[in-house]
Amino acid sequence: EVQLVESGGGLVQPGRSLRLTCITSGFTFGDYAMSWVRQAPGKGLEWVGRIRNNFYGATTQYAASVKDRFSISRDDSKGVAYLQMSSLKTEDTAVYYCTRICSWGCFDNWGQGALVTVSS
Amino acid sequence: DIVLTQSPDSLGVSLGERATINCTSSQSVFDSSSNENYLAWYQQKPGQPPKLLIYWASNRESGVPDRLSGSGSGTDFTLTISSLQAEDVAVYFCQQYYRIPLTFGPGTKVDIK
Repeated sequence: EVQLVESGGGLVQPGRSLRLTCITSGFTFGDYAMSWVRQAPGKGLEWVGRIRNNFYGATTQYAASVKDRFSISRDDSKGVAYLQMSSLKTEDTAVYYCTRICSWGCFDNWGQGALVTVSS
Repeated sequence: DIVLTQSPDSLGVSLGERATINCTSSQSVFDSSSNENYLAWYQQKPGQPPKLLIYWASNRESGVPDRLSGSGSGTDFTLTISSLQAEDVAVYFCQQYYRIPLTFGPGTKVDIK
């Protein structure tokens, strides 16, 4: 069974940093691209960014709203993906979901999400 | 960026009746080389993460009931629930994976009338 478990969420002050971790199991992590999607309270879904697998050089792409502030990385030996968030803003408050990207590009498995609250 | 719009915003349907949700893309998400539409549908129930229902606009994910179906091509797509069940109460999102940034529609809330 594919499992994605996020951790590292919490309350953080504006301008500070936070790192989310996504621990995976049940599939060959190195075969897949991974992505982060967020959902502000009561709002819709917003793609944050993705990291391709090592076959494609583990390249990353980001939404404009987080580019240059957020960074996604992966450790294939541990089956873990990370979302490093810096210079956090109040508008970054959201539940952050770790997702697996299926071969053709959609999000076929999701974690339960980690709540990040940015507030002073 | 590809902008997805959905209609209606919310929908009340009687049990056993048909529910239809529309998704319109600001540009075509059809790729002629693969002959595929890069469009997916997700279902999100309260307090849960989204769940993939449909990919390539009309391919049902494993385990998804056949009363849920997707159709459309190019810029206009539809998710149909042929006979609404209580467990179908949720918010439904469309998503394009044709171009970066990946984008979602705003969602359609489906309730029991």
